[in-house]
Amino acid sequence: DTGVSQNPRHKITKRGQNVTFRCDPISEHNRLYWYRQTLGQGPEFLTYFQNEAQLEKSRLLSDRFSAERPKGSFSTLEIQRTEQGDSAMYLCASTQSWTSGMETQYFGPGTRLLVL
Amino acid sequence: EDQVTQSPEALRLQEGESSSLNCSYTVSGLRGLFWYRQDPGKGPEFLFTLYSAGEEKEKERLKATLTKKESFLHITAPKPEDSATYLCAVQASGTYKYIFGTGTRLKVLA
Repeated sequence: DTGVSQNPRHKITKRGQNVTFRCDPISEHNRLYWYRQTLGQGPEFLTYFQNEAQLEKSRLLSDRFSAERPKGSFSTLEIQRTEQGDSAMYLCASTQSWTSGMETQYFGPGTRLLVL
Repeated sequence: EDQVTQSPEALRLQEGESSSLNCSYTVSGLRGLFWYRQDPGKGPEFLFTLYSAGEEKEKERLKATLTKKESFLHITAPKPEDSATYLCAVQASGTYKYIFGTGTRLKVLA
C-alpha cells in the first residue's frame, strides 16, 4: 500500500497521560498536514510541514500539542497531559505539489483518540 | 477571517434524484477550492480541485463548479453508494493551509 499510513489506529488513554501518534506520508510528497476532527465537524487544521520545516500552526493548538517531522519523512504528533476534550479523530494528510501550482491532498485513515 | 460554509447539513435523496450541494466561502484571495468525500470512520478522499471562477470538473455522477463566492457539487442520478459526507475546503493565497467546512451528509435511498 503506497498511501498515507497512521499508527496507532485507535488509542484509549487516561486523562493526564501523554500520547504520541505517527504518520507516514506518501514518499514523494513534500507537505504533511495534521488535522483534528470531531463528530459532525470537518477536519480542523492543526499544523503543516514543508519537508522538515513546520511552517504554520493553528492558534487553537495549545502548548500541550507538539509535532515533528525529522528529516522530512514521517511525522509525530504528541499530546501532553491529555484532557477529555482532546478525544477526537486525528488525521494526517500529505500533498504533492506540481510545478503548475496544482496540488492533491491525500489523507490517512486517522487515529481515533479516546481520553477517559 | 477565512471561512467555509456548506449547505444543506444533511440531504436525503431517492436513487436517481439529482441535486446540488453548496459551498460558500470567504477568503482573502483564493488559491484553490477542494471537494472531498468521507465515509464513516475513514479519512477524506480527494474528489476535485478548482482554481478559478467558471472552472468545472466532472467525475462519473459528480460535477463541481466554481464562482467567485461559492462552489456547487452536482450529483446526477445518484446511487446508494454515493451516500457519504461531502466536504469542501479552501486554500487562501499566501498559505498552504486548508480550511474545511462542516460537510453535507448525503443519504441516497434505493
